[in-house]
Amino acid sequence: EDQVTQSPEALRLQEGESSSLNCSYTVSGLRGLFWYRQDPGKGPEFLFTLYSAGEEKEKERLKATLTKKESFLHITAPKPEDSATYLCAVQASGNAGNMLTFGGGTRLMVKP
Amino acid sequence: KAGVTQTPRYLIKTRGQQVTLSCSPISGHRSVSWYQQTPGQGLQFLFEYFSETQRNKGNFPGRFSGRQFSNSRSEMNVSTLELGDSALYLCASSRTTSGSDTQYFGPGTRLTVL
Repeated sequence: EDQVTQSPEALRLQEGESSSLNCSYTVSGLRGLFWYRQDPGKGPEFLFTLYSAGEEKEKERLKATLTKKESFLHITAPKPEDSATYLCAVQASGNAGNMLTFGGGTRLMVKP
Repeated sequence: KAGVTQTPRYLIKTRGQQVTLSCSPISGHRSVSWYQQTPGQGLQFLFEYFSETQRNKGNFPGRFSGRQFSNSRSEMNVSTLELGDSALYLCASSRTTSGSDTQYFGPGTRLTVL
């Protein structure tokens, strides 16, 4: 069974204090790993897709990396507007179609 | 370019009733997936439709069903509502069903069952 575990569940940072969120996964075969951001009361907003170990992608203060067992979302010098829940999801090669298996998310709070 | 739209945004029903939720995908997207989000279980896959055919189904009871129309719009139906069906129902669309294709989510429908 495909499993995705995110840690920590919640993270409080001061503005400018860099940190990393972890996403550990167990899948039969990885087609893609996705990072989303979700604000309260809204749908998840797409951030990155990673396909193979060693791959990295960046967007503003965010950088996502991928190994064979986990992915990290690095947040550099965060701002209060980065506060949100960050979700990690995988697509497994054993599943037909676009089914995503999600982790529980990391709730990030950035204080000014 | 318009995003994924879902209607209604909020819904209140009582136990035993049924409900229909609607989703319009991004123009040109032919795959629509549905997810249930609850505080306890997180985001869970319900089903995916592509070209009016169900492509995949998650581990939910038969009370949950869906369909897709020729214009790619999709509906999901929940019959005989239970208190535990209270959740945010999210729809996501993508161009294809090939896997590894990015899915874009709508704002969701918040269903409350009393």
